[in-house]
Amino acid sequence: DAGITQSPRHKVTETGTPVTLRCHQTENHRYMYWYRQDPGHGLRLIHYSYGVKDTDKGEVSDGYSVSRSKTEDFLLTLESATSSQTSVYFCAISEERFNYGYTFGSGTRLTVV
Amino acid sequence: DAKTTQPNSMESNEEEPVHLPCNHSTISGTDYIHWYRQLPSQGPEYVIHGLTSNVNNRMASLAIAEDRKSSTLILHRATLRDAAVYYCIPYSGGGADGLTFGKGTHLIIQP
Repeated sequence: DAGITQSPRHKVTETGTPVTLRCHQTENHRYMYWYRQDPGHGLRLIHYSYGVKDTDKGEVSDGYSVSRSKTEDFLLTLESATSSQTSVYFCAISEERFNYGYTFGSGTRLTVV
Repeated sequence: DAKTTQPNSMESNEEEPVHLPCNHSTISGTDYIHWYRQLPSQGPEYVIHGLTSNVNNRMASLAIAEDRKSSTLILHRATLRDAAVYYCIPYSGGGADGLTFGKGTHLIIQP
């Protein structure tokens, strides 16, 4: 299957603590994305990256930061987790923005208590 | 972003063809029409995409109306593993990047 892995798969954390989710790819794709999925809202884009050190905000970026220091890794950080950030987080990769499909990871289920 | 309209849910029988409709009347000339599906407890999976012509791959066929205001995803012979939420997404890759997902169609396959 496509080389994209997310870690951890599940995490429970306390309100106010920092949390970092990792997305790792072995496909050498240029574009990487972080989405969150909540009941009633579907998938919403948080941040995306179009190259090493090149990132931009998506629809729901407040409370999140990202970093991409290597092509293969895209990190999503919740600086101070809140209960509203309880969600399933998906990472996706794409070689070229519209001529190829996106490949999604299996997701990280984050619970903030 | 172009707005899409899809049925909330559809039901079909196993081994029969399934036609999943999507209206995207505000689609721009540079938008490709992408289809993704999401099986329970999994991430979305790319199915197919096209611009103007009908497209076929091993998973499905995509029929695009001549005016591009609607499209139909065709599963030629549905199996129980095709039960999923199907998303139709017009996407050009420009501007605020990333696919925009709507609510999709929940496809139920009866054995």
